[in-house]
Amino acid sequence: GENVEQHPSTLSVQEGDSAVIKCTYSDSASNYFPWYKQELGKRPQLIIDIRSNVGEKKDQRIAVTLNKTAKHFSLHITETQPEDSAVYFCAAKMNNNDMRFGAGTRLTVKP
Amino acid sequence: NAGVTQTPKFQVLKTGQSMTLQCAQDMNHEYMSWYRQDPGMGLRLIHYSVGAGITDQGEVPNGYNVSRSTTEDFPLRLLSAAPSQTSVYFCASRSTGEAYNEQFFGPGTRLTVL
Repeated sequence: GENVEQHPSTLSVQEGDSAVIKCTYSDSASNYFPWYKQELGKRPQLIIDIRSNVGEKKDQRIAVTLNKTAKHFSLHITETQPEDSAVYFCAAKMNNNDMRFGAGTRLTVKP
Repeated sequence: NAGVTQTPKFQVLKTGQSMTLQCAQDMNHEYMSWYRQDPGMGLRLIHYSVGAGITDQGEVPNGYNVSRSTTEDFPLRLLSAAPSQTSVYFCASRSTGEAYNEQFFGPGTRLTVL
């Protein structure tokens, strides 16, 4: 079936460094790609999203890039801070309107 | 707006028991869905609905039933609980009026099956 793969599963960086998380998707009809942040014991919260007609989107320290030809998209966090520590999920909206999620990346920012 | 609400927050069941997880949203969203979250496996889609009276299966539907009698409510029923259904369950909703729509999650229900 259609799926979303996410790498790496864990990522540890020093405060101030950049973090990059990558996802690939299989449904070529997917047209919407959100990223969610989930803190321990909380619900996933949308942090940024990108539509299929855009190659890159930026919001302060967070950016997302999309390569539709290669069917992959990435989350970039610059100048990381300890409060960025969380689990991050990528997702893709499938042609049948489902939202499928990657397995998640546990990001740890060390002070 | 309360957004997406779920009850209960925690539940412990014995193997073979049945129960219903409740989900409601007050944003008039057409699309509602249930996910389960297990360590290292992300959010897996159980069932979804694109409107009242319409439901469909997701990635992992076995052992679960849903119904959608109103736009607001989308309960998830476990017919005969098994230890493999121990998980955190999230309900979510979004509008389908446009091609790209933010999906909102409820606070989750932590279910343990003994």
